[in-house]
Amino acid sequence: KQEVTQIPAALSVPEGENLVLNCSFTDSAIYNLQWFRQDPGKGLTSLLLIQSSQREQTSGRLNASLDKSSGRSTLYIAASQPGDSATYLCAVGDFYGQNFVFGPGTRLSVLP
Amino acid sequence: NAGVTQTPKFRILKIGQSMTLQCAQDMNHNYMYWYRQDPGMGLKLIYYSVGAGITDKGEVPNGYNVSRSTTEDFPLRLELAAPSQTSVYFCASSYSTGWNTGELFFGEGSRLTVL
Repeated sequence: KQEVTQIPAALSVPEGENLVLNCSFTDSAIYNLQWFRQDPGKGLTSLLLIQSSQREQTSGRLNASLDKSSGRSTLYIAASQPGDSATYLCAVGDFYGQNFVFGPGTRLSVLP
Repeated sequence: NAGVTQTPKFRILKIGQSMTLQCAQDMNHNYMYWYRQDPGMGLKLIYYSVGAGITDKGEVPNGYNVSRSTTEDFPLRLELAAPSQTSVYFCASSYSTGWNTGELFFGEGSRLTVL
């Protein structure tokens, strides 16, 4: 059974810092991996989707990498801003592409 | 485009009551999902559908039922509500070809309390 963990559970940084969020999964036979942002009381917003054949994806100040062999993905946020404060979740798509297993999330606070 | 629309946003039920959470998407996505999110936990899959007329159980299906009569709609029914079903429910959709699974799009969620 696929299990997804995210470390740290919470992170507080000053504005302008570069930071890395980690996602680990136990079964490397994945279809894809997706990073989401969730604001309090809201739904999830997709940030980046990495297919299993890709190593990384970039969107603006965000860069996500995928290393299937080690069961890890990282989300790099450059020049953090207070508006980046949210919970960040990763989700791993299974081999059939029919199920996503979610991590518990990392709660990020960027202090002005 | 509205994306994924869920109703109601909030609901309080008494133990033993039943209700249906509605979900509709206007993106012509073939895959649809229902997840629940409990405090401090990741999302857990309740049911999913790969197309109209096809549904399958996820990790936590007990106490729930679904149907998918059209591509657009994927309602989730709670029968005999229990306090353990107090949660935030999210509907999601994606377009998948079998070779590539697209990104998930989520609704705003339905917050359900069972007293």
